[in-house]
Amino acid sequence: GQQLNQSPQSMFIQEGEDVSMNCTSSSIFNTWLWYKQEPGEGPVLLIALYKAGELTSNGRLTAQFGITRKDSFLNISASIPSDVGIYFCAGRDNYGQNFVFGPGTRLSVLP
Amino acid sequence: DADVTQTPRNRITKTGKRIMLECSQTKGHDRMYWYRQDPGLGLRLIYYSFDVKDINKGEISDGYSVSRQAQAKFSLSLESAIPNQTALYFCATSDMGQQPQHFGDGTRLSIL
Repeated sequence: GQQLNQSPQSMFIQEGEDVSMNCTSSSIFNTWLWYKQEPGEGPVLLIALYKAGELTSNGRLTAQFGITRKDSFLNISASIPSDVGIYFCAGRDNYGQNFVFGPGTRLSVLP
Repeated sequence: DADVTQTPRNRITKTGKRIMLECSQTKGHDRMYWYRQDPGLGLRLIYYSFDVKDINKGEISDGYSVSRQAQAKFSLSLESAIPNQTALYFCATSDMGQQPQHFGDGTRLSIL
């Protein structure tokens, strides 16, 4: 079946730094989603992308739908302590009925 | 997401017991899903339902069953729980088409 890879698996950064993470697929997707999960809670949708090359922002977060349609990127600018959590990507192709989720990137922000 | 409510939030039980996890939603979505989350593996789909009379197996349905009692309710059952079913379970809903899924806050299930 389809699989998504997320890189890096985990990262420790200093407060104020920018963060970049990515998600890659072995197949072409027509929708990419980015979620954030905090301890004790379910994943919360951050950004949805529907078109190759699309660049969408949500506050300090910016996500891009890769032009190859096999990858997506999430950037966080000027990180703050509340950015801590696990960031999941999810994707879907034209044939799949459901989204496939990546294993997540765990972000820790040091004060 | 308070619009998707899971009960119980935590459950500890013994091997062989039957367990039911419940999910209700007020979002008015037709589609509902059950996922399992294990460390390092992300979210894996157990079962999904696109309307009240529709039930579909996901990636890891063995050992689980579901019931879609109404548009707003979707329950997951473990007929005879085993320790490797210890995990975090999430219910999600979505509208039709390519719309994103909205998750509940999860049920932490431990099977001894």
